[in-house]
Amino acid sequence: ILNVEQSPQSLHVQEGDSTNFTCSFPSSNFYALHWYRWETAKSPEALFVMTLNGDEKKKGRISATLNTKEGYSYLYIKGSQPEDSATYLCAFPPHNFNKFYFGSGTKLNVKP
Amino acid sequence: DVKVTQSSRYLVKRTGEKVFLECVQDMDHENMFWYRQDPGLGLRLIYFSYDVKMKEKGDIPEGYSVSREKKERFSLILESASTNQTSMYLCASSLSRSWETQYFGPGTRLLVL
Repeated sequence: ILNVEQSPQSLHVQEGDSTNFTCSFPSSNFYALHWYRWETAKSPEALFVMTLNGDEKKKGRISATLNTKEGYSYLYIKGSQPEDSATYLCAFPPHNFNKFYFGSGTKLNVKP
Repeated sequence: DVKVTQSSRYLVKRTGEKVFLECVQDMDHENMFWYRQDPGLGLRLIYFSYDVKMKEKGDIPEGYSVSREKKERFSLILESASTNQTSMYLCASSLSRSWETQYFGPGTRLLVL
């Protein structure tokens, strides 16, 4: 079992604050890194798939960066809104493994 | 859009009962997965299947079995439910290659009394 770690476990911010969280994964055997958003009572929803070192992806106010050499990815949310409240999961499918390893998630709560 | 549906959102069962959780996807995906999610832990893989009638154990298969008789349907079976199987169960599917995006169902919250 591979270790995928996310920090912090939870985060409480005010509406309008910008925030970021981290996903750490084994730097060897890298293939891709996925970010998902999981809102309460809904299905986890794919945000980004990142494959190249130095990759930066953006979707509205949310962006992510990737460093495969040191084994981490950051997710940034600019100007958080209450609708951003969710658990953010990262997932690591190592090369030659037919499965994902998930982090335990960062639970974000944005207060109006 | 990919749609993954699960047979129940909430389920209450008694210890020792046989429990069936059903998952259906409508996008002709090759791969299907069953996970459980518990507080403070990431999604943990129970079983997955990469083709009809094919299955592979994930990281926590004990106490579970699966069935994939048709491409679109993947069932998780708790042969004799126990209280430590109280959890959120999520089904997912993906197209073919191992690194591709997985699409999730809404989850089944199972309580075993």
